[in-house]
Amino acid sequence: SAVISQKPSRDICQRGTSLTIQCQVDSQVTMMFWYRQQPGQSLTLIATANQGSEATYESGFVIDKFPISRPNLTFSTLTVSNMSPEDSSIYLCSVSLGNTIYFGEGSWLTVV
Amino acid sequence: GNSVTQMEGPVTLSEEAFLTINCTYTATGYPSLFWYVQYPGEGLQLLLKATKADDKGSNKGFEATYRKETTSFHLEKGSVQVSDSAVYFCALSGLLYNQGGKLIFGQGTELSVKP
Repeated sequence: SAVISQKPSRDICQRGTSLTIQCQVDSQVTMMFWYRQQPGQSLTLIATANQGSEATYESGFVIDKFPISRPNLTFSTLTVSNMSPEDSSIYLCSVSLGNTIYFGEGSWLTVV
Repeated sequence: GNSVTQMEGPVTLSEEAFLTINCTYTATGYPSLFWYVQYPGEGLQLLLKATKADDKGSNKGFEATYRKETTSFHLEKGSVQVSDSAVYFCALSGLLYNQGGKLIFGQGTELSVKP
């Protein structure tokens, strides 16, 4: 199994600022995934982060808005840049280990 | 492309009622299928999974069977409790090796169980 820790768990942010979310896994994994869950909505994949290469972004998400780092096999960060109230969401980190996909507890961001 | 469709909520049941939440999918090949649960104010938890046709996933009294012929993975529980009140998400995994950890989610079904 995998244990995933995310920081911060919750935050209230001012519009126009940026916030970096950290994701730490207790196992080495090749790929890490970042999802967004807007209020009352389902989860949408933002990007896939591989160690040692640029992240791969899904349609509708761009690196300038959501820069991602993946410095090693157990850690990744997602930055939400120049935030607006529309960025108020839960951001979740996910990994695949064996044939199971694990999620962190999520980072609940409110932009005011 | 791949997609997941769940029955719309909210679903409201009385305690000890039988639960079915329908989930159908569209995919080429044989994806893995999952049910996740999100309790109020909490993150996402894996409830059960099935990795091949006719597999039955089960956990905490919930069951779902991977039906290739009907491309379905319906979630069932024989007797729900108030503590089962949550949002339930059906999901499938990507089919290619480098998509193996990517999940496509249904829209979620909110379940409310009344005492």
